Amino acid sequence: EIVMTQSPATLSVSPGERVTLSCRASQSISSNLAWYQQKPGQAPRLLIYGASTRSTGVPVRFSGSGSGTEFTLTVSSLQSEDFAVYYCQQYNNWPRGPTFGQGTKVEIK
Amino acid sequence: EVQLLESGGGLVQPGGSLRLSCRASGFIFSNYAMTWVRQAPGKGLEWVSGINDFGDTTYYADSVKGRFTISRDQSKNTLYLQMNSLRAEDTALYYCAVWYKWFDPWGQGTLVTVSS
Repeated sequence: EIVMTQSPATLSVSPGERVTLSCRASQSISSNLAWYQQKPGQAPRLLIYGASTRSTGVPVRFSGSGSGTEFTLTVSSLQSEDFAVYYCQQYNNWPRGPTFGQGTKVEIK
Repeated sequence: EVQLLESGGGLVQPGGSLRLSCRASGFIFSNYAMTWVRQAPGKGLEWVSGINDFGDTTYYADSVKGRFTISRDQSKNTLYLQMNSLRAEDTALYYCAVWYKWFDPWGQGTLVTVSS
């Protein structure tokens, strides 16, 4: 099983700041990575797939990068509606064994 | 508008069974693979099971293999998850989602609680 590790577990930031979230895979997954945002009481929402392609309707302040084992989700200027938990997910062995990271909570500083 | 509406969750005793449903609308259901993902209270996301567009190929996480069965009824635009031999650790909010290689979109989930 491919293990996904996200860091940090929690990030305290102020609105307007630039935020960088990390996701590491236990083995190379090429660019087979997605990012999701989950707000309290809501289902996850797809932000990024293919490591760097924004999903329909996702604001341009969200960007993804990386390949192999190291990936990053960047929010260029954090808005109030962006405070949430973010998960990465690998699909390198699709359709078998997709796995998620444990999540990074972005909270208000 | 794409909509996924889960139902069938509830309280069940350990060892019991439950069948979840996910009614799809707003898209051609039979053209897409579908999946179940769960989230234990206060925890992260765990992929549970998936099924291809035709409904003839299924996939399971090791944690549920042999206990859960995924299926779909194309005529009813509905995805199912039959859960048997339920354990306390199966307690979670169960989401259905359209399964490309990523998951999009997701339903709002149905809560399964396994407790005596």
